[in-house]
Amino acid sequence: DIVMTQSPLSSPVTLGQPASISCRSSQSLVNSDGNTYLSWLQQRPGQPPRLLIYKISNRFSGVSDRFSGSGAGTDFTLKISRVEAEDVGVYYCMQATQFPWTFGPGTKVDI
Amino acid sequence: QVQLVESGGGVVQPGRSLRISCEASGFTFSSDVMHWVRQAPGKGLEWVARISHDGSSIQYLDSVKGRLIISRDNSKSTLYLQMNSLRDEDTAVYYCAKDLGGSWALDYWGQGTLVTVSS
Repeated sequence: DIVMTQSPLSSPVTLGQPASISCRSSQSLVNSDGNTYLSWLQQRPGQPPRLLIYKISNRFSGVSDRFSGSGAGTDFTLKISRVEAEDVGVYYCMQATQFPWTFGPGTKVDI
Repeated sequence: QVQLVESGGGVVQPGRSLRISCEASGFTFSSDVMHWVRQAPGKGLEWVARISHDGSSIQYLDSVKGRLIISRDNSKSTLYLQMNSLRDEDTAVYYCAKDLGGSWALDYWGQGTLVTVSS
């Protein structure tokens, strides 16, 4: 199975300041079709997860442009350009290149 | 708008069975791949199973193979998870999630249903 790791696991942030979360996979996420199936999800307290980014850098419908994704191979990053109060929650990276799909342990973002 | 509503969770004894459901609306259910993902209390997310749009292709997490069975009824726009031989470690909130077709991501999630395995 592909193991996903994230850092930091906890990130106190300041409103209006940028934040960054790193995600690393135990093997390359480049699929045989040439695509890299790495996505980012946000889970606010008491809520189900919500898709933010798919295929490394594609923002999902309705997601603020303050969120951006980048990376390649085994190293990926989620950036929040200016943190807002509503961004508090846990952020997960997820790989869908190989079954079983696996998630990172989550990064808790709080103010 | 896309809606996924899970039901059927509850408290069940170890070794017993339970079936949970996910009723879908707001999209063409029969065209979309669907998934179950679970989250143990206070823990992270764990992918459980995936089923193709017509049920012909299914994948499972190894630890649930032979015990949890994913299925769907496209005429009812409903996804199921039959859970047999339940173990303490199956205790979790179970979410159904829709696949972002072709992009292999989970674009819409239900609110989840809690399954507690306890004697």
